[in-house]
Amino acid sequence: DTEVTQTPKHLVMGMTNKKSLKCEQHMGHRAMYWYKQKAKKPPELMFVYSYEKLSINESVPSRFSPECPNSSLLNLHLHALQPEDSALYLCASSQAVGSTEAFFGQGTRLTVV
Amino acid sequence: AQSVTQLGSHVSVSEGALVLLRCNYSSSVPPYLFWYVQYPNQGLQLLLKYTSAATLVKGINGFEAEFKKSETSFHLTKPSAHMSDAAEYFCAVKLNTNAGKSTFGDGTTLTVKP
Repeated sequence: DTEVTQTPKHLVMGMTNKKSLKCEQHMGHRAMYWYKQKAKKPPELMFVYSYEKLSINESVPSRFSPECPNSSLLNLHLHALQPEDSALYLCASSQAVGSTEAFFGQGTRLTVV
Repeated sequence: AQSVTQLGSHVSVSEGALVLLRCNYSSSVPPYLFWYVQYPNQGLQLLLKYTSAATLVKGINGFEAEFKKSETSFHLTKPSAHMSDAAEYFCAVKLNTNAGKSTFGDGTTLTVKP
């Protein structure tokens, strides 16, 4: 199994809502990542987890709150988002942060209204 | 520090023609280099990677890339384009450290004309 599974595929939320994005992998990878991708732009790194501990936070606003409950799961909790936060949110995993290859999920298309 | 420049935000080729997507990098230490493909509303799929072994790297779907240190380049080629190759292509660089951060180029949109 070389898949990274993200749910939901699409999400529409109001600016006062609280929602969560989920990411799961069963490859035994110990590094997991959240990226944000705007249309026609490259992915931008948001967070890196290594062995279930947050190792990199790219100065992401606190309305995005990551969580890694175990080595297979990565969540991104969303609260009080703005319309400009609408984007494709990509999860990725790799064996470790120093690994050469990362596997990406299909992404969650988020629309904030 | 590391950076990637993809020359040409749009490339258009005819079906059966050579595909050449350009990528130049800047890195303070030996880099790992990657090419990813992204279809509309999909995640990124790794095409190929350079990790300091062979300088000519073969990937999936008939793509290959050559690492040229003297030119700081890692251009992606395919001898004969297929309609299904139409997509967004990203070059990425990652330092040979444990930082875990990859830097992506701005992407090149490949269009394949029948």
